[in-house]
Amino acid sequence: DTGVSQDPRHKITKRGQNVTFRCDPISEHNRLYWYRQTLGQGPEFLTYFQNEAQLEKSRLLSDRFSAERPKGSFSTLEIQRTEQGDSAMYLCASSADSSSPLHFGNGTRLTVT
Amino acid sequence: KNEVEQSPQNLTAQEGEFITINCSYSVGISALHWLQQHPGGGIVSLFMLSSGKKKHGRLIATINIQEKHSSLHITASHPRDSAVYICAVRDYGGSQGNLIFGKGTKLSVKP
Repeated sequence: DTGVSQDPRHKITKRGQNVTFRCDPISEHNRLYWYRQTLGQGPEFLTYFQNEAQLEKSRLLSDRFSAERPKGSFSTLEIQRTEQGDSAMYLCASSADSSSPLHFGNGTRLTVT
Repeated sequence: KNEVEQSPQNLTAQEGEFITINCSYSVGISALHWLQQHPGGGIVSLFMLSSGKKKHGRLIATINIQEKHSSLHITASHPRDSAVYICAVRDYGGSQGNLIFGKGTKLSVKP
């Protein structure tokens, strides 16, 4: 069990650029979640996959955000035309089923300049 | 008003002290999580509970569904317990990961 891994750990980008983050969940986990956390706040739910199906999206996920999990394993979160307000820690978590604990990655910290 | 409120926001304790962190919520829930976040961002799930009490080592979590309140207790606190503790609830009928998070309680345990 190597845990949930996220790449990159840090990303600095200029406003207007596109960025993509990757999450590799624990291998046998079919559920995968993305969250966003700004400084001094608790995380906020963004979206949820069960296998390759995206089952739920928060209204926080504007049309500039897209998430995929094409083969039901790793997932990517893309932000197009980044804005300074997108600066945050983006956290990924996975779980085996609805009654199992969530396992979090260490997050990707995005800074938009 | 936030749907999940934690108190205190910040807590400083001496090593060995008994610590209590409180979480109150305003929605009907199917589960409540206690999470630990260390500097740098990594989050560890401590407990997931829907009733009663759970214990793991020096950590105890309780929940009172009628009063919409949960507490996290740390016995014999140690400097390595220093972290942000976050309460999160799953809205009744919501998916497991669609959690509503509190802002966290920052705990600092001094040697």
